[in-house]
Amino acid sequence: AQTVTQSQPEMSVQEAETVTLSCTYDTSESDYYLFWYKQPPSRQMILVIRQEAYKQQNATENRFSVNFQKAAKSFSLKISDSQLGDAAMYFCAYRIPRRDEKLTFGTGTRLTIIP
Amino acid sequence: DGGITQSPKYLFRKEGQNVTLSCEQNLNHDAMYWYRQDPGQGLRLIYYSQIVNDFQKGDIAEGYSVSREKKESFPLTVTSAQKNPTAFYLCASSRGLAGGRDTQYFGPGTRLTVL
Repeated sequence: AQTVTQSQPEMSVQEAETVTLSCTYDTSESDYYLFWYKQPPSRQMILVIRQEAYKQQNATENRFSVNFQKAAKSFSLKISDSQLGDAAMYFCAYRIPRRDEKLTFGTGTRLTIIP
Repeated sequence: DGGITQSPKYLFRKEGQNVTLSCEQNLNHDAMYWYRQDPGQGLRLIYYSQIVNDFQKGDIAEGYSVSREKKESFPLTVTSAQKNPTAFYLCASSRGLAGGRDTQYFGPGTRLTVL
């Protein structure tokens, strides 16, 4: 079975500091897409960042960046200069093109920002 | 404003009743999806549709039904056959590009509670 594992159910970080959320996945495919979604208390899922597996360069979006290690099947999210608005559940997910259309999600990491 | 709307935000159902959750998008997206979220778990795919008048079962389709008569709309019916329907339901849409360069965007969700 293809799975996504987020081994940190909860994390906390001091405001303005940096935090890294871990994610590992298991797929036999070589072509896939990886995502981090944020779910704040409103419960709407918001796309944070996306990475194509065929790209070696790590994706970045402002304060958010990833460390993509394809051989290790690892896809961690780094949040720099943490802000109170970053407090949320963070979900890692992947999608395999030309197979089915679903996103396969991990169980999430709850991030708390300490003022 | 472009986006995805879901209604109602909260829904209560008696056992044995069918209920329909609404999902509408004005993003001109071809593809639409329904996910279910349970506490402590990631999202799981119920149904998806890549084009009007066509839809496919996801991982947990039993007890659910959908229709796709219009591009903008993808309603989900939770039938009495669904054994444990209490959950948070999220609708998503995407452009449906071939080759997998496709990102799903989510609506605000509907919380269904069976009394």
